[in-house]
Amino acid sequence: AQSVSQHNHHVILSEAASLELGCNYSYGGTVNLFWYVQYPGQHLQLLLKYFSGDPLVKGIKGFEAEFIKSKFSFNLRKPSVQWSDTAEYFCAVIPRGTNAGKSTFGDGTTLTVKP
Amino acid sequence: KAGVTQTPRYLIKTRGQQVTLSCSPISGHRSVSWYQQTPGQGLQFLFEYFSETQRNKGNFPGRFSGRQFSNSRSEMNVSTLELGDSALYLCASSSNRGVSYNEQFFGPGTRLTVL
Repeated sequence: AQSVSQHNHHVILSEAASLELGCNYSYGGTVNLFWYVQYPGQHLQLLLKYFSGDPLVKGIKGFEAEFIKSKFSFNLRKPSVQWSDTAEYFCAVIPRGTNAGKSTFGDGTTLTVKP
Repeated sequence: KAGVTQTPRYLIKTRGQQVTLSCSPISGHRSVSWYQQTPGQGLQFLFEYFSETQRNKGNFPGRFSGRQFSNSRSEMNVSTLELGDSALYLCASSSNRGVSYNEQFFGPGTRLTVL
């Protein structure tokens, strides 16, 4: 079975700072990768996903993530955060070719952006 | 297209009672997964249903059960509630078709409080 590790449990940044949230997974095969965001009081929504092709994927609201296969990583980045990016971020992994029920989520990273 | 809906949004129960939560997936989605979200544990997978059959199950006791109807709507039941069952219960649906077959779309959740 796969596992997902998000190294930072809580990150505090000032507006305009750059963001990088780490996500590492362990699984011997090919995977689909996701980042979800949960804004305060709102439901989980997809930020971006990687299925195949260009390992640098761009998502909504200026977020991007890079899949580095050799490092089993899928780190989330944003060059300049805004106060509205305050939220909890989850990384998720699904072995390719399997159904959604095989998803594994990280424990989440809470991002607080100070105005 | 309407998103995933969950009812009720909030529930307060006492220990020993049972509860039923409902989830309506996105139209056309046949896979429904359930998760328990708590501050300390992140998202824990409960089970996944597809075409009225449970095809994946997480590591939860038998007090947690579910079912799916022919219209893909799903219900989750928790019997003999314990204080530790207090959590946000999330439902997610996926299309199980095409390139993004296992991408999940989440509902707003049901906040269950057990007193």
